[in-house]
Amino acid sequence: AQSVTQLDSQVPVFEEAPVELRCNYSSSVSVYLFWYVQYPNQGLQLLLKYLSGSTLVKGINGFEAEFNKSQTSFHLRKPSVHISDTAEYFCAVRNNAGGTSYGKLTFGQGTILTVHP
Amino acid sequence: GAVVSQHPSRVICKSGTSVKIECRSLDFQATTMFWYRQFPKQSLMLMATSNEGSKATYEQGVEKDKFLINHASLTLSTLTVTSAHPEDSSFYICSAQGGPSPLHFGNGTRLTVT
Repeated sequence: AQSVTQLDSQVPVFEEAPVELRCNYSSSVSVYLFWYVQYPNQGLQLLLKYLSGSTLVKGINGFEAEFNKSQTSFHLRKPSVHISDTAEYFCAVRNNAGGTSYGKLTFGQGTILTVHP
Repeated sequence: GAVVSQHPSRVICKSGTSVKIECRSLDFQATTMFWYRQFPKQSLMLMATSNEGSKATYEQGVEKDKFLINHASLTLSTLTVTSAHPEDSSFYICSAQGGPSPLHFGNGTRLTVT
């Protein structure tokens, strides 16, 4: 079984400032890691994913995340945020047994990012 | 790119009635579909996993007789909330997977039971 903890429920930040959304996970097996973004009353859009290889992963909209196995973390960062980045962000994990199918995900509680002008 | 269409986006129904939500994969064959429920200001909770042509696998605590899932074809899965009550009001999201391809999410259905 896995669990995901997003340490901040809300993160307010000013436009053009950097931001980091924190995510820690717990699992007894190796995992794949994901970040999703959800705009109000919409489904989820994949921002980025870590499957293997380089621990620094770059995604869409200028976001990146770094997988740290020793700290079991996968924090999401953006060097300069825009008003349009205001949304809720979810970290998710899936155990990587069974190949590259992404299937059953365990989500964190979500972090609401609010970008102020 | 691949798209998952979920319909309706919003539905309001009276207590005691049933509501059907459709999830369609538009340009790929979805061998597996997942149904999630999201309460306000909370995360997504997996309700069930649906494989085409077989019975859905429900997560612990989810009433299979209340939340009926049908995955009759490789492009369509439906979730029927039977005898809905106000506590069933929530945001329901489906996701679809076709083989090794990434998971794609629908835009969700906001169910309000009055």
